[in-house]
Amino acid sequence: SAVISQKPSRDICQRGTSLTIQCQVDSQVTMMFWYRQQPGQSLTLIATANQGSEATYESGFVIDKFPISRPNLTFSTLTVSNMSPEDSSIYLCSVVLPKSGQGGLGGYTFGSGTRLTVV
Amino acid sequence: GIQVEQSPPDLILQEGANSTLRCNFSDSVNNLQWFHQNPWGQLINLFYIPSGTKQNGRLSATTVATERYSLLYISSSQTTDSGVYFCAVLINAGNNRKLIWGLGTSLAVNP
Repeated sequence: SAVISQKPSRDICQRGTSLTIQCQVDSQVTMMFWYRQQPGQSLTLIATANQGSEATYESGFVIDKFPISRPNLTFSTLTVSNMSPEDSSIYLCSVVLPKSGQGGLGGYTFGSGTRLTVV
Repeated sequence: GIQVEQSPPDLILQEGANSTLRCNFSDSVNNLQWFHQNPWGQLINLFYIPSGTKQNGRLSATTVATERYSLLYISSSQTTDSGVYFCAVLINAGNNRKLIWGLGTSLAVNP
């Protein structure tokens, strides 16, 4: 299965500032996904990032607040802009893998997450 | 839209006990995944199971797509099994597919 490196693993930021989260995959993937998980909650999809095109944002999320870059098939960034305490969450990137052979799990695989605290 | 319901919401076990977690979904789905989120927040893919039964060590999962439910079995639980177990179903969404998540089952295994 793919290895996803996500950084930073955690950060404490001042309100009004911005943080860029990086996600690097060790194989080429068509789509990458960015999720937010607020404390004690399930995951919410922010946007889907395809290489070479604008990201597709879910209802309630806008590009000005969460700009995404996808410069190639192995890398993406998510920026959380003009942060407020309500943005304190875990942010996770994810890719979907083909089911590859016997024992291959397939499905969605996640980075280790970025735990963001805004003060 | 599709609803994904997990039960129970919380579960406390003594080490060595067995348990069954359930995931109900309200409509047809392309696929279903079970994840374990450990206390450090890492999401681990356990099973990718549109139908049938799969086993991986002490864990197994069964999905009955026609009846719209999936079960995750944990046998001989260990303290390292603690965390939140999520069920997520894969649906068509326009030109893409997306995961719809349940609220999770929070499991604590005591020594």
